[in-house]
Amino acid sequence: GQSLEQPSEVTAVEGAIVQINCTYQTSGFYGLSWYQQHDGGAPTFLSYNALDGLEETGRFSSFLSRSDSYGYLLLQELQMKDSASYFCAVEAGTALIFGKGTTLSVSS
Amino acid sequence: GAGVSQSPSNKVTEKGKDVELRCDPISGHTALYWYRQSLGQGLEFLIYFQGNSAPDKSGLPSDRFSAERTGGSVSTLTIQRTQQEDSAVYLCASSTTGGEYYGYTFGSGTRLTVV
Repeated sequence: GQSLEQPSEVTAVEGAIVQINCTYQTSGFYGLSWYQQHDGGAPTFLSYNALDGLEETGRFSSFLSRSDSYGYLLLQELQMKDSASYFCAVEAGTALIFGKGTTLSVSS
Repeated sequence: GAGVSQSPSNKVTEKGKDVELRCDPISGHTALYWYRQSLGQGLEFLIYFQGNSAPDKSGLPSDRFSAERTGGSVSTLTIQRTQQEDSAVYLCASSTTGGEYYGYTFGSGTRLTVV
């Protein structure tokens, strides 16, 4: 079977740094993606890692270790607007398989 | 179009009725996906289209669910004899294949409520 594990909730304050971890078990693997979803909104693509290492896009970075079947999303200089759900997703075949999501709450 | 368009945005139906959900992907996107999201849950894969064919229907939960795509563009997800457990947000996404990876672009979804 295929499964992804990520924490259900994370809380932080404005200006802080937060890391959301994701571990996966899949029968195939092409890459790990991260999506952001605000309440009532559509999921939006944040980042994609096909190879080991760190990818940086502005305040957001994503890391992958294929040997450990592990990745994380790092959010820096947190802002209130970053309060949302964050999903890791594995490309293992024809379509993305998503984790259950991590709800990030940012307070002032 | 500029984005993925889904209609209707909300649908309330009586148990046992059939419903059709529509997805209009980004022009030129050959891949199209349907997902289902229950309240507070992750995205459950339903079906994948490449052009007009559906090489992966493994996520359809029962034979009450079917989907088609015509002209390599618009897709329709049909749920027959709806049940209360079908209540969820149905999300459609499209993507390009080949070249630089830009991820999936999702529509805003159809919120289906079966009463």
